Amino acid sequence: DQQVKQNSPSLSVQEGRISILNCDYTNSMFDYFLWYKKYPAEGPTFLISISSIKDKNEDGRFTVFLNKSAKHLSLHIVPSQPGDSAVYFCAASSGGYQKVTFGTGTKLQVIP
Amino acid sequence: NAGVTQTPKFQVLKTGQSMTLQCAQDMNHEYMSWYRQDPGMGLRLIHYSVGAGITDQGEVPNGYNVSRSTTEDFPLRLLSAAPSQTSVYFCASRGLAGDEQYFGPGTRLTVT
Repeated sequence: DQQVKQNSPSLSVQEGRISILNCDYTNSMFDYFLWYKKYPAEGPTFLISISSIKDKNEDGRFTVFLNKSAKHLSLHIVPSQPGDSAVYFCAASSGGYQKVTFGTGTKLQVIP
Repeated sequence: NAGVTQTPKFQVLKTGQSMTLQCAQDMNHEYMSWYRQDPGMGLRLIHYSVGAGITDQGEVPNGYNVSRSTTEDFPLRLLSAAPSQTSVYFCASRGLAGDEQYFGPGTRLTVT
């Protein structure tokens, strides 16, 4: 049972445009959500997070939106840059020391 | 700080062999975890630990053992390797106050 789903395995975007990566979850106990970025042959690195008490969190070019009623979150990258080309993982937990569940990832390609 | 280190980087095993994947962190993090990454499956949690002497199972624990005798180290043992355990393995850690996990560079394991 996949509790965190990323239904788009890949996404191509022109440099300078907006990239929107989507994530859906099924477990209503999740109250903390994170995005990680992964380059080939490296471990994932943390990008941005959001608590369920917020509906938006922004960090530079990256913004995460959370829609609790729809159990949906999205990551916006504006403007997209070639260096953003990577696999992006959505992750969720029910807080504290609870285990973190990851989605299957979306491979983003930013075309120069 | 070295962060999270993993050894070896690459390993080839024959079916039935045993081995231990090493993971160490120097950030004094209480929470440590092991994931495996397979194509189309994302990052799946194998085992995790919330402190020395405390471990618990994740989504895919079968065939793997862990122990946590110190805060720094969290080794993953394969007692009898199977081809289905061919994967890339990532160790991660995080502290009490943070929700962001820090990942190691990964171990690529092939079981023939």
